[in-house]
Amino acid sequence: EAQVTQNPRYLITVTGKKLTVTCSQNMNHEYMSWYRQDPGLGLRQIYYSMNVEVTDKGDVPEGYKVSRKEKRNFPLILESPSPNQTSLYFCASSGLLSGGTVDTQYFGPGTRLTVL
Amino acid sequence: GQSLEQPSEVTAVEGAIVQINCTYQTSGFYGLSWYQQHDGGAPTFLSYNGLDGLEETGRFSSFLSRSDSYGYLLLQELQMKDSASYFCAVRSSWGKLQFGAGTQVVVTP
Repeated sequence: EAQVTQNPRYLITVTGKKLTVTCSQNMNHEYMSWYRQDPGLGLRQIYYSMNVEVTDKGDVPEGYKVSRKEKRNFPLILESPSPNQTSLYFCASSGLLSGGTVDTQYFGPGTRLTVL
Repeated sequence: GQSLEQPSEVTAVEGAIVQINCTYQTSGFYGLSWYQQHDGGAPTFLSYNGLDGLEETGRFSSFLSRSDSYGYLLLQELQMKDSASYFCAVRSSWGKLQFGAGTQVVVTP
């Protein structure tokens, strides 16, 4: 089954404790992206990647890092989480060479993060 | 600045037609897309407009006017399962996607 998976789905942590949220897709998609969703603000893009080793900032990159060493994986790293990073996080991907565009994204199930 | 404006909530009865407008102001424009999100779920892609005009996908249609920086999503023959949040999104560069705050559609019997 074609899908985007995220782990963990739920995470409660404390300020300053480094964490990684993994994202993996099995559709051989070139494009991957991370978003955070907060009430009343819609989805805001954190980082995106057009392909392996090619990443760029979205609108809210501060406090986050990403890497794209393999095509299928795009982990989101919070090196020193703070309470204002408490949010619902979504990973997404799209296949640029298979007829898709950046606009037609497949989303993962989401990761609910709470930073105390 | 960059912004996307869409109504916060729309209520309609089953079988009705609903139009969700989206106006945008962005530094670049590559296309307008629409996503649906049910409570507790992930966004799912509905429709995309790269050029002016109407795109139809079953009961859903989307329209774009680049000269007016305006688009809309039309939901026809509303069903209870259409109760969800709908987001417009503008691609402002090769890889950047900016979403509106979302419109909650409430369908009543």
